[in-house]
Amino acid sequence: GAVVSQHPSRVICKSGTSVKIECRSLDFQATTMFWYRQFPKKSLMLMATSNEGSKATYEQGVEKDKFLINHASLTLSTLTVTSAHPEDSSFYICSARDSTPTNSPLHFGNGTRLTVT
Amino acid sequence: KQEVTQIPAALSVPEGENLVLNCSFTDSAIYNLQWFRQDPGKGLTSLLLIQSSQREQTSGRLNASLDKSSGRSTLYIAASQPGDSATYLCAVRDDKIIFGKGTRLHILP
Repeated sequence: GAVVSQHPSRVICKSGTSVKIECRSLDFQATTMFWYRQFPKKSLMLMATSNEGSKATYEQGVEKDKFLINHASLTLSTLTVTSAHPEDSSFYICSARDSTPTNSPLHFGNGTRLTVT
Repeated sequence: KQEVTQIPAALSVPEGENLVLNCSFTDSAIYNLQWFRQDPGKGLTSLLLIQSSQREQTSGRLNASLDKSSGRSTLYIAASQPGDSATYLCAVRDDKIIFGKGTRLHILP
């Protein structure tokens, strides 16, 4: 089955530093990938839609200069949390859908737990 | 604006019982609905995907139904096992993918 690999699974960083999270589709091509954030005991919140070869589409309230998304190929999207602060500590999950066929299911990475100290 | 609601928020049942999880959505113009399982601190595992033209999907002990006109889906779990304990999320896709807040399921051994 389709697999989405997300790396790293856990990261601890100091305030003010930047952290990059990678999301790869291992056996399918994904023109679109999605980045979610999940606070404890809360639902997943869509942060942005990552489009291969073009700019990401951010949801209302998500700072695009803080959460940089790059989707340089059909199998890789990255999320960089810039100048991280403790309030950015959260669980970040990416997902991808096979470009073909249409209406295919979403596949998720295992998530990245970010802790900013 | 699409809203997805899952009831109950939490559920504890003895092992072996059959159970139903509910998901409702406000806008019936969806492409599909997907049920996921999430274990603590982990990513999501896709369980079942129902296209808008379908009424139900089955996988093993799981059966998901979709009534698009009424904005409802159910996930039926037969003969529950302790390993079924997890949070179950439903998500609908229109032009975006919107998640419910999930149902935390605990199966009592």
